[in-house]
Amino acid sequence: AQSVTQLGSHVSVSEGALVLLRCNYSSSVPPYLFWYVQYPNQGLQLLLKYTSAATLVKGINGFEAEFKKSETSFHLTKPSAHMSDAAEYFCAVVNNNDMRFGAGTRLTVKP
Amino acid sequence: KAGVTQTPRYLIKTRGQQVTLSCSPISGHRSVSWYQQTPGQGLQFLFEYFSETQRNKGNFPGRFSGRQFSNSRSEMNVSTLELGDSALYLCASSTGQGANYGYTFGSGTRLTVV
Repeated sequence: AQSVTQLGSHVSVSEGALVLLRCNYSSSVPPYLFWYVQYPNQGLQLLLKYTSAATLVKGINGFEAEFKKSETSFHLTKPSAHMSDAAEYFCAVVNNNDMRFGAGTRLTVKP
Repeated sequence: KAGVTQTPRYLIKTRGQQVTLSCSPISGHRSVSWYQQTPGQGLQFLFEYFSETQRNKGNFPGRFSGRQFSNSRSEMNVSTLELGDSALYLCASSTGQGANYGYTFGSGTRLTVV
């Protein structure tokens, strides 16, 4: 069965600094991978998805992620953090229509 | 295009009662999935419906059930509520391809069991 591990339950960066949120997956078949963001008292919003078309995936709000099969990773990055990026981020893996989420990483952005 | 609509947004119930939550998917989406989100367990998959049939089921007790109507709207029901059922319940919809192409989530129903 597939699973996702997000390294670091909390990440804090300064405004303007690089954002790096880590995600490693395990899957017996080529996976579909996703990053979602959740703001307080809201549902999950899709940031980006990997569906095998390209290893570097660009999403909304300036985020991107790179699929690295050799490292079984799908880390999320943004060159310059903004205060509005403060939220919880979830990595998810899908096999055969079964979507499993990581535990989430709470991103704090300091002024 | 309207998003995924969940009602009610907030709910307070007493232990032992039952509750029904509703989800209206995006127009044209035929797959509806439900997730439970708690601080301790994170996001856990409950079940998925497609064309009124349960296609996938998570590891939850039989007190948790759901159904989907011909217009793709879905309901989930929890009977004999326990304190541990307090959670944010999220509904998500997708096209017929299901989770492979990603879900659109609703804002959730926050259930508090007292």
